[in-house]
Amino acid sequence: KAGVTQTPRYLIKTRGQQVTLSCSPISGHRSVSWYQQTPGQGLQFLFEYFSETQRNKGNFPGRFSGRQFSNSRSEMNVSTLELGDSALYLCASSLRSQGPHEQYFGPGTRLTVT
Amino acid sequence: AQSVTQLGSHVSVSEGALVLLRCNYSSSVPPYLFWYVQYPNQGLQLLLKYTSAATLVKGINGFEAEFKKSETSFHLTKPSAHMSDAAEYFCAVSDRGNYGGSQGNLIFGKGTKLSVKP
Repeated sequence: KAGVTQTPRYLIKTRGQQVTLSCSPISGHRSVSWYQQTPGQGLQFLFEYFSETQRNKGNFPGRFSGRQFSNSRSEMNVSTLELGDSALYLCASSLRSQGPHEQYFGPGTRLTVT
Repeated sequence: AQSVTQLGSHVSVSEGALVLLRCNYSSSVPPYLFWYVQYPNQGLQLLLKYTSAATLVKGINGFEAEFKKSETSFHLTKPSAHMSDAAEYFCAVSDRGNYGGSQGNLIFGKGTKLSVKP
């Protein structure tokens, strides 16, 4: 079974631009979560989608948004990029939204904002 | 709010020595706990999870962890370190939300980088 895939793997953007990152979950997984990883703040939860609905949201500004499609693929968008948005963005999928269901992570998208 | 504390941002052991990575959690209800490993330029890989069944949990690559409620700990151990174990390890707790129900997101510790000397 194929794992979680994320595209693109690397991205360089300029401050003020916007960016869209894509995540394809493991086949059959309906929950997709997004995390931001930085050296200073570590791993922080952005949001989670299940059956095309945002189920949970972390403490990030409204510039960060996401969506999920009927095939469970998910995208996250960051508008008006700031230097501090440079990070590794990780997507994780799991079977269901609640409970002790382990999350399977993709390789991440490394975003650099200049 | 729940939190996870990993003691020691860097741990160095010799090949063949015991690996002990410490994790303490704060939770008002029994948590779900996880250990993940991250190799350079890769995502996170699940090592093991605790879901209120057996307190001693065995994972992949020879790792295991013991849930101790009285100490609010979930330390990760491996009897004999291998060079391939060098990576960053993250302890995580499943967020319980405001009403005790399990949410879908994980709260991670800051991570511990493990170095293995030959």
